[in-house]
Amino acid sequence: DIVMTQSPDSLAVSLGERATINCKSSQSVLYSSNNKNYLAWYQQKPGQPPKLLIYWASTRESGVPDRFSGSGSGTDFTLTISSLQAEDVAVYYCQQYYTTPFTFGPGSKVGLK
Amino acid sequence: EVQLVESGGGLVQPGGSLRLSCEASGFTFSSYAMSWVRQALGKGLEWVSAISGSGGSTYYADSVKGRFTISRDNSKNTLYLQMNSLRAEDTAVYYCAKDSVISTGGWFDPWGQGTLVTVSS
Repeated sequence: DIVMTQSPDSLAVSLGERATINCKSSQSVLYSSNNKNYLAWYQQKPGQPPKLLIYWASTRESGVPDRFSGSGSGTDFTLTISSLQAEDVAVYYCQQYYTTPFTFGPGSKVGLK
Repeated sequence: EVQLVESGGGLVQPGGSLRLSCEASGFTFSSYAMSWVRQALGKGLEWVSAISGSGGSTYYADSVKGRFTISRDNSKNTLYLQMNSLRAEDTAVYYCAKDSVISTGGWFDPWGQGTLVTVSS
């Protein structure tokens, strides 16, 4: 199974400041035949289901604010919130969809400083 | 608008059974794989099972293999999860999620609101 890890477990960021979350997979999720990374990011607010933010590691889902960006390739990925807003307080999960069992990172909780 | 509505959760004794349903609307149901993902209270997300758009291919997490069965009725736009031999560790909110592709192997969007399964005596 591909094990996903995230860091940090939690972070507190001031409004308007940058938040950066790292995600690492135990093996590459880059599919060589199409050069795509099978990695997604989700945001989950309390009492709500997860919401898709990013897929293919760096493609923003329609309607997601452009302050959210994803980067990375192979085994190392990053989600960046360029200017944190109050509504961004949530837990963020990375997930690989390269192979079953599809696996999620343990989550990173973003709060306000 | 794509909508997924789960039902069927509840309190069940260890060793018991439960069948979850997920009614889909707003998209061509048979054209997309579907998954079940669960989340224990205060914990992270765990993928449970997936099924291709035709229903011909199914996949399971090791933790539920042999106990849970995923199925779908494309004529009713409904996804199911039959859960047998339930254990305390199966207690969680169960979400259904639409895959982005027909064959599994895509991202999940959207997710339903979830249904709570509690396994306790």
